[in-house]
Formats: sequence, structure tokens, C-alpha cells
Amino acid sequence: AQKVTQAQTEISVVEKEDVTLDCVYETRDTTYYLFWYKQPPSGELVFLIRRNSFDEQNEISGRYSWNFQKSTSSFNFTITASQVVDSAVYFCALTNTGFQKLVFGTGTRLLVSP
Amino acid sequence: NAGVTQTPKFQVLKTGQSMTLQCAQDMNHEYMSWYRQDPGMGLRLIHYSVGAGITDQGEVPNGYNVSRSTTEDFPLRLLSAAPSQTSVYFCASKSPSSGNTIYFGEGSWLTVV
Repeated sequence: AQKVTQAQTEISVVEKEDVTLDCVYETRDTTYYLFWYKQPPSGELVFLIRRNSFDEQNEISGRYSWNFQKSTSSFNFTITASQVVDSAVYFCALTNTGFQKLVFGTGTRLLVSP
Repeated sequence: NAGVTQTPKFQVLKTGQSMTLQCAQDMNHEYMSWYRQDPGMGLRLIHYSVGAGITDQGEVPNGYNVSRSTTEDFPLRLLSAAPSQTSVYFCASKSPSSGNTIYFGEGSWLTVV
């Protein structure tokens, strides 16, 4: 069975601090895909990134970066120089090659104060 | 949330009432699905469909029915609403042509009293 664990329920930081959101996953599949989604206070789910299991390169997009490590089954998300607009709930999710069932973690609520 | 439209956005139901949550996408995506989001539990898959005429159960299908008569639409039916179905519902779709990225609608807030 697949499982995603986001152990951090809530994180509070002050603007301009760096923050890392942890994601640990479990799967027996050799090929799988990991996602991060952002859910701002308005409630919609915004796609941030998808990572394939066979591509362990880290990725950077502006202030966002992702560290994928198969050895520790982790896919952590770092926001550099956080801003108030980053305040949201962030979900990590996992699926296999069929892409039919996305398994979500319970989410991490990030609160960025001015 | 390109092209996935959910209606209604908010709904209050009485226990035992029936209703349908509508989901439509205009991206010609083969795959569509419904998730529910509950506090502290993330999102859980209710039902999904890999194409018109094909549906299958997800993790929490009880109390919900779906059908897929067209590629564009994937309605979720609650035949006899229960307070345990109070939740936020998200419809999602994807296609290989979109890199298999799963796109979500804006959500439907349902309260059963």
C-alpha cells in the first residue's frame, strides 16, 4: 500500500525566513510520481510540482526548491525568503504509473507572519 | 485550475436528501475523479473514471454514486445524505497530453445537517 506522511501539522515563520516542509512516502512500486500542491485560504488546490521516481535531480523554481531522495523516501519542499502570500496548506501526494489514485498526506499548514 | 468546473460551490443539505455535485472539464481529459477533504485527513479518493462509460471505486466510495456518460462530465451523486458526508469535495482531471498532471476544480463545500 502507498502512504504519504507529513509529520509537520503546522509551521509558523516570520517573513523572509526559509522554511522546509517534510514529506516521507511509502510505496512498493519501482516507478512512481510525487506531487506538491498548495491550498491557499481561498480553498483551491494549486499544482506546484511533479517528480518522477527515476529522476532524482533537485529542482528550483524561483523561491521554491524540492529535494527528492529515494534513499530516505523523502520529497521535501523548501521556500526561501518566505512571504505572507506563501501562507497556505501544502500537500504532498504520491501515485503510481497508472496515475489513477493519488494518495495525499494530511498536509502542513504554513503561516507566514509579516 | 485550468478548465475543471465544479458546481455548486456551497450547499447545505438535510439528512436524507439527495443531490448531485457537478463536474465538467473542457480539456478533453480521459481521466476524472472525485476526492473529499476532511480536517486532519488530507484528500481521499471517492470514485474515478478513465473514460466515458468506465468508473471505479476509490478509497471511500460508500454513499456515493457516479456515472460517466460523456468525456466532459463526471457528476457525483449523494442518494441519501448523512452528516458524515459533510466535507469539501474536489473534482480532478488529467490526460497524458497534459503530462499526467492532475488538475483540481475549486471545490464544493457541502454541509449535511
